[in-house]
Amino acid sequence: NAGVTQTPKFRVLKTGQSMTLLCAQDMNHEYMYWYRQDPGMGLRLIHYSVGEGTTAKGEVPDGYNVSRLKKQNFLLGLESAAPSQTSVYFCASSFTGGLYEQFFGPGTRLTVL
Amino acid sequence: LAKTTQPISMDSYEGQEVNITCSHNNIATNDYITWYQQFPSQGPRFIIQGYKTKVTNEVASLFIPADRKSSTLSLPRVSLSDTAVYYCLVVINNAGNMLTFGGGTRLMVKP
Repeated sequence: NAGVTQTPKFRVLKTGQSMTLLCAQDMNHEYMYWYRQDPGMGLRLIHYSVGEGTTAKGEVPDGYNVSRLKKQNFLLGLESAAPSQTSVYFCASSFTGGLYEQFFGPGTRLTVL
Repeated sequence: LAKTTQPISMDSYEGQEVNITCSHNNIATNDYITWYQQFPSQGPRFIIQGYKTKVTNEVASLFIPADRKSSTLSLPRVSLSDTAVYYCLVVINNAGNMLTFGGGTRLMVKP
């Protein structure tokens, strides 16, 4: 099992460019999440999904969109990148929410110039 | 959701026992205490979870007093590889609940 994988690992964008981050999990988990982590800070939830075809906003959703067309994949899109979106992005998945352990991917380091 | 407070940083030496205390004064009846560990350049990893008294696994122990307003993560005989950030979270026993990470405790283990 690969667990949770993220593509790409690193990316540099110019302000106004768009990109999509891909998260994939092979654990048949229902729930998937996207977090961002700024330097020296904890993780903040951007969007999440409680099942295929569903998405919901988290704590900091502005400037991002997500899609969950397949159960194993969760995509995070930046339509018009801004320097404030420079961060490390982590994807996670869990069997359901609540007490179930979340499994995290290795992260994507994004720099917006 | 109960807010957690934990020390920003701690130092220790190899072979020592490390105790990290977390305060959660507003914890509710359905809330559980959960700890995650994050190594540099990696995503967080679940360590341990408990409701009351003591929970122990192969990595750590979690002590929760009767009033549940605080908890202590205990790492026995730490090594350099235990250098990481440790997050204390209060998790509602509800399938729809999402995790809220605070700033965590940055543990530095020295030789």
